[in-house]
Amino acid sequence: NAGVTQTPKFQVLKTGQSMTLQCAQDMNHNSMYWYRQDPGMGLRLIYYSASEGTTDKGEVPNGYNVSRLNKREFSLRLESAAPSQTSVYFCASSPPVPNTEAFFGQGTRLTVV
Amino acid sequence: AQTVTQSQPEMSVQEAETVTLSCTYDTSENNYYLFWYKQPPSRQMILVIRQEAYKQQNATENRFSVNFQKAAKSFSLKISDSQLGDTAMYFCAFRGRETSGSRLTFGEGTQLTVNP
Repeated sequence: NAGVTQTPKFQVLKTGQSMTLQCAQDMNHNSMYWYRQDPGMGLRLIYYSASEGTTDKGEVPNGYNVSRLNKREFSLRLESAAPSQTSVYFCASSPPVPNTEAFFGQGTRLTVV
Repeated sequence: AQTVTQSQPEMSVQEAETVTLSCTYDTSENNYYLFWYKQPPSRQMILVIRQEAYKQQNATENRFSVNFQKAAKSFSLKISDSQLGDTAMYFCAFRGRETSGSRLTFGEGTQLTVNP
């Protein structure tokens, strides 16, 4: 079972460069999410998509864009990377039933120098 | 907006002993769900236990149990007979029934170390 697949696992960017983090899930989930994890701050929601064709801002959306390409895929784009975006990024998905768990990808460690 | 607070950044426990991790939350919703996730050094996020707010009985999963106090908005995790493999970051998370997109709100995390 693949579950939620994120690529890449590691990335180093120079300030000002752009990149897209890819995420795909094979569980037919409606909802998908992008979180960032920073020490002492837990996981903070960047963007989410409640269903195919919709996206909404989360807690920390500045500097990011997202695309819900289809039901399976939800990508996160950094248009002009900044050192403050150095973090571990997680993609997650869940069915619309709120008592079910969210399933997470393995995370992407991004360093912006 | 919902908030989740974990006031213990780090904790340690001796192998085979019991430890309790604290979590408080704030919400105006009446129906919601609470979760504890474990994150070992591999970075994988693993569900440990979940609690539905309308259920008064505390959830248990083997050595893991919760103390859910709805009026106090408290949701602590008790780990009994701690094992070395329990060493991990633990996150408390909230999901509201009415919350758009059913998104999870996480606490800051507690790093638990189990010592031999």
